[in-house]
Amino acid sequence: GAVVSQHPSRVICKSGTSVKIECRSLDFQATTMFWYRQFPKKSLMLMATSNEGSKATYEQGVEKDKFLINHASLTLSTLTVTSAHPEDSSFYICSARDDREHSPLHFGNGTRLTVT
Amino acid sequence: GNSVTQMEGPVTLSEEAFLTINCTYTATGYPSLFWYVQYPGEGLQLLLKATKADDKGSNKGFEATYRKETTSFHLEKGSVQVSDSAVYFCALRTGNTGKLIFGQGTTLQVKP
Repeated sequence: GAVVSQHPSRVICKSGTSVKIECRSLDFQATTMFWYRQFPKKSLMLMATSNEGSKATYEQGVEKDKFLINHASLTLSTLTVTSAHPEDSSFYICSARDDREHSPLHFGNGTRLTVT
Repeated sequence: GNSVTQMEGPVTLSEEAFLTINCTYTATGYPSLFWYVQYPGEGLQLLLKATKADDKGSNKGFEATYRKETTSFHLEKGSVQVSDSAVYFCALRTGNTGKLIFGQGTTLQVKP
């Protein structure tokens, strides 16, 4: 079945540094990918919609200069958390929509970010 | 705005018990409804879906019926197994953007 690879699965970084998370669709092309943030015991919050070849669309309240999204190819979107702070510690999940299908979305396994 | 509300967990059941996880939604228009499952250490997987009122989604013994009159999409399974232990998310999608709005997730623990 369709696979979305997210890397790294876990990362620990120091405050003030930047961290890049990659989301790859391995066997399909995805013009559209989505980035979610999952808080403990809470729902997945959509952060932004990543569109290949154009700017990402951010949800209300999400700082676009803080969470940089680049979707440079039909199989790769990256999320960079810039100048990370401890409150950015969270579980980040990407999903990708197969261009051949209307649904469903395929999800990565998530990235656990810990900022010390 | 659009939202999804799930029953709070964790839900703890013995093997072969009957499962219900409640899900209600608020949406403009006519959303599609989904249940996703997240097994420990893994990403989300689509469990089942329904795209219009009165549709019943089913997979792996799980069922959910799209009830427009009660704006609900409750997940049920007649006999749960230990391997069903996971976090279950109800979600809705409106329009063609692919954007999903999730409930807060319900943890299911099935004991042998």
